[in-house]
Amino acid sequence: ETGVTQSPTHLIKTRGQQVTLRCSSQSGHNTVSWYQQALGQGPQFIFQYYREEENGRGNFPPRFSGLQFPNYSSELNVNALELDDSALYLCASSLEGFGSTDTQYFGPGTRLTVL
Amino acid sequence: TQLLEQSPQFLSIQEGENLTVYCNSSSVFSSLQWYRQEPGEGPVLLVTVVTGGEVKKLKRLTFQFGDARKDSSLHITAAQPGDTGLYLCAGRGAGSYQLTFGKGTKLSVIP
Repeated sequence: ETGVTQSPTHLIKTRGQQVTLRCSSQSGHNTVSWYQQALGQGPQFIFQYYREEENGRGNFPPRFSGLQFPNYSSELNVNALELDDSALYLCASSLEGFGSTDTQYFGPGTRLTVL
Repeated sequence: TQLLEQSPQFLSIQEGENLTVYCNSSSVFSSLQWYRQEPGEGPVLLVTVVTGGEVKKLKRLTFQFGDARKDSSLHITAAQPGDTGLYLCAGRGAGSYQLTFGKGTKLSVIP
């Protein structure tokens, strides 16, 4: 069974640029959630995709967008990068995405640095 | 907005000591999870608690969910260097897809 994988591992961009981060879900999972973890902070929920539809969004501006593909892999796109976007971006996959005991399995993250 | 406050933020103890980490909120959660995160990795789930007053044990780790489902604690007995890491609590509201994380407690266990 393959776990959650993310690419790239590290990325350096400059202000104003655009970036795409990728996530492959764990086998059999149809839900992907994306989180931003700034240094010294806990992860903050960006949005969640369930069967290719966005079904929930946290307090992030529209320049953060995503996609989920038929194989349930996912992309996070960030436009017009700002310095504060520097963070570890985590994706997590799960079976259903909701329910008290839903378990999310996290990938190792992509470390984004914006200069 | 549901918020989770964790304390302490940092904890440095000697091997063999006991410790407790707290997770508090003014909101009610339908479930609360504890994760451990090591540098360069994503969080790994340790436990999920769903019932007020519930206590779960995982070897030397004891997790408790408050009676009112607003708070939780993690107690580690006889800490070992392998326990070093960032401990995160995360709550989910009733019917919600969103996990709300605390800022974490960074634990260092010195041999």
